[in-house]
Amino acid sequence: DAGITQSPRYKITETGRQVTLMCHQTWSHSYMFWYRQDLGHGLRLIYYSAAADITDKGEVPDGYVVSRSKTENFPLTLESATRSQTSVYFCASSVSGEQNQPQHFGDGTRLSIL
Amino acid sequence: GQNIDQPTEMTATEGAIVQINCTYQTSGFNGLFWYQQHAGEAPTFLSYNVLDGLEEKGRFSSFLSRSKGYSYLLLKELQMKDSASYLCAVRDPYSGAGSYQLTFGKGTKLSVIP
Repeated sequence: DAGITQSPRYKITETGRQVTLMCHQTWSHSYMFWYRQDLGHGLRLIYYSAAADITDKGEVPDGYVVSRSKTENFPLTLESATRSQTSVYFCASSVSGEQNQPQHFGDGTRLSIL
Repeated sequence: GQNIDQPTEMTATEGAIVQINCTYQTSGFNGLFWYQQHAGEAPTFLSYNVLDGLEEKGRFSSFLSRSKGYSYLLLKELQMKDSASYLCAVRDPYSGAGSYQLTFGKGTKLSVIP
């Protein structure tokens, strides 16, 4: 049971570069989410997706792009990385949008932008 | 606006009981989640409350009072492996991403000492 996997686990890049973080889930969950986690802040939602080809903005979407061509994949792209995007990024999924459904998280990607 | 408050850090002794509080002020409420996050790992789901009262799951219990905007997580018979951050998250249907968004507190870092 692979669950939800993120790659890479660690990434170092430079300002201005494009970088894509991958997220793959094997549960066939409808909903997928991207969060960033920074010291002094709780987890903050970047983008979410209710199904393939349906995505929407969360709390902090600026500078990020997502796509969801297949149910199982939800990549997050930083089109032109900035130092303020240095963070730990978590992907999550839930079986549905029902209010009692928990979100299940991947192990995260630690991204450093120099 | 949304505001979720938790103590930043707590310390407790192995075998003891500890209560981690969470207070919230949100525009709406569709449930409250507790997650555990060990250092460098993914958050994992612990509990969900939507009605007032106590939900018990083994050594962990979670309480909710909607009128007071208050919840707590109770950990009994503490073990060293319980050292982790505990995240409180509220589902607010009136937040930017609607009922799909979880708004997280900054987390409480619990240290269990022998």
